[in-house]
Amino acid sequence: DTGVSQNPRHKITKRGQNVTFRCDPISEHNRLYWYRQTLGQGPEFLTYFQNEAQLEKSRLLSDRFSAERPKGSFSTLEIQRTEQGDSAMYLCASSPAQRGGFFGPGTRLTVL
Amino acid sequence: AQRVTQPEKLLSVFKGAPVELKCNYSYSGSPELFWYVQYSRQRLQLLLRHISRESIKGFTADLNKGETSFHLKKPFAQEEDSAMYYCALGRGAQKLVFGQGTRLTINP
Repeated sequence: DTGVSQNPRHKITKRGQNVTFRCDPISEHNRLYWYRQTLGQGPEFLTYFQNEAQLEKSRLLSDRFSAERPKGSFSTLEIQRTEQGDSAMYLCASSPAQRGGFFGPGTRLTVL
Repeated sequence: AQRVTQPEKLLSVFKGAPVELKCNYSYSGSPELFWYVQYSRQRLQLLLRHISRESIKGFTADLNKGETSFHLKKPFAQEEDSAMYYCALGRGAQKLVFGQGTRLTINP
């Protein structure tokens, strides 16, 4: 499978725990995006990387959220001290120079 | 603020009937508009983009700047078109702003 992959696909955690998600983009894509999707809503932008540089962060991304993309390859999204409101589907997308990227299957987070 | 509105959360049509999924946007610059589709248990995938002026799976969408709309149309619906459809606006150089989505059901 040469598409965008995300791990884990599902994560259940207790409130207050830290979680980390991984995204492996399509190898030749230099742009990588993280989105969050809650039930009944469309995806909402969280952050964007061009190669290893994080160029934009949404106001949705509180201090408890951090994302990295070392060496411009895979990316990780960490949520510290999770809250029940963090429960959502976290989507990763990658694209070449233009928008309209390719999405991964998502990581569904449930915070108990 | 940039916004995408899909006024219909649910749309149900019969097989063979025409389909139109509505999308309106607000954006002060030159918009890039997209339609994404998500079939059951599959990932979100790009259906078409306005800049390409293409027809994918029989679907077309025309950007109407006067009405700030980008409605998705298909003349004859097929059962396999049943899915969740999202309209999205490309803002600046990076992110997409999505609408809430329309669940399309094609009845046999």
